[in-house]
Amino acid sequence: GESVGLHLPTLSVQEGDNSIINCAYSNSASDYFIWYKQESGKGPQFIIDIRSNMDKRQGQRVTVLLNKTVKHLSLQIAATQPGDSAVYFCAERYMNRDDKIIFGKGTRLHILP
Amino acid sequence: GAVVSQHPSWVICKSGTSVKIECRSLDFQATTMFWYRQFPKQSLMLMATSNEGSKATYEQGVEKDKFLINHASLTLSTLTVTSAHPEDSSFYICSQNEQFFGPGTRLTVL
Repeated sequence: GESVGLHLPTLSVQEGDNSIINCAYSNSASDYFIWYKQESGKGPQFIIDIRSNMDKRQGQRVTVLLNKTVKHLSLQIAATQPGDSAVYFCAERYMNRDDKIIFGKGTRLHILP
Repeated sequence: GAVVSQHPSWVICKSGTSVKIECRSLDFQATTMFWYRQFPKQSLMLMATSNEGSKATYEQGVEKDKFLINHASLTLSTLTVTSAHPEDSSFYICSQNEQFFGPGTRLTVL
């Protein structure tokens, strides 16, 4: 299930199930979107990206979906493993802000044994 | 292997002192690098864009005189937190581009 903590919402998923992490972005002019994984005490790790002219992109065990109509991004992780436990951030590149990468709020993924 | 390194990985300092954090691009000549700050259980907030050979570009609300950025070479950018106070305690992260981030520096100001 999904719950909202003090700052970061948490998604709890059974090991082996698929995880779906959602993100709403703010700028309709953004042309590029990225998902990052951040483990405790470490910097963000690039997972997968998608450009605004696409609505779906697949990687190894991960799929990103983009719905520009409602400004929504999702990350699907297949067959979730204990090593997937982390905080996941979506990020967008603002075309009118010197191509800076702006991070969304983040979701903590908790894997249940 | 890592393409962006940061030093130190953690630092504890007394209030009022200045702390310098280094960010190195190990395999890429970076004309720009990005500095972020992350408070516990929060997202990364972009502080500034470091430009090699010229002034950094600061985000709104970030004090340029407090957070001094120097990008003297294509492989090194530094962030100096001047006259640090406890509210500056945070996790500081640099990035080379959207793909490669440093491991972060944990600053604790007593």
